Amino acid sequence: QKEVEQNSGPLSVPEGAIASLNCTYSDRVSQSFFWYRQYSGKSPELIMSIYSNGDKEDGRFTAQLNKASQYVSLLIRDSQPSDSATYLCAVTGNQFYFGTGTSLTVIP
Amino acid sequence: GAGVSQSPSNKVTEKGKDVELRCDPISGHTALYWYRQSLGQGLEFLIYFQGNSAPDKSGLPSDRFSAERTGGSVSTLTIQRTQQEDSAVYLCASSPLAGGPDTGELFFGEGSRLTVL
Repeated sequence: QKEVEQNSGPLSVPEGAIASLNCTYSDRVSQSFFWYRQYSGKSPELIMSIYSNGDKEDGRFTAQLNKASQYVSLLIRDSQPSDSATYLCAVTGNQFYFGTGTSLTVIP
Repeated sequence: GAGVSQSPSNKVTEKGKDVELRCDPISGHTALYWYRQSLGQGLEFLIYFQGNSAPDKSGLPSDRFSAERTGGSVSTLTIQRTQQEDSAVYLCASSPLAGGPDTGELFFGEGSRLTVL
């Protein structure tokens, strides 16, 4: 059984700063990695996927994957109050395994 | 449909009653998952259907919980003799590709909020 670990937070950053969210996982055979955003009272929505080592950028979001260290992160540049949400890391194997999420608050 | 559809969106029931929650995945999606999320908590895996394979039921918390998927499409999650600790949001998600979790992302429905009085 895979384990996906995230700091539950809360993480607070000022508007315009970089928010850094981290996730570690325990199984070396994992192939796909996802970051989901979940607003309060809403369902999770996919914001980034990454499959190979290195960085993947999409607008203000950058996902970083290091399979040797079993570590995946999400950077949010120029953080906005609308980024305030819980961010869930997901790792695949036989199924999707989710972390417990990190709560992010961007302070105007 | 355009997205994963779940019904009912809200269900209030009395302790001891049975409930059925329905999930209609995105057309053509072969994988379907059920998760449970209690207030302020993470996603708790319940069950996973992949094509015609036997479902992974390893997350079902007790034998009061069961799920089926008819014709590879619509799924129903049934909770018998509901208890107050069953109160949560039940989320359904589907994935588009037959190759397994490594080849697709999950699309979530809006969830069914269950309250057991």
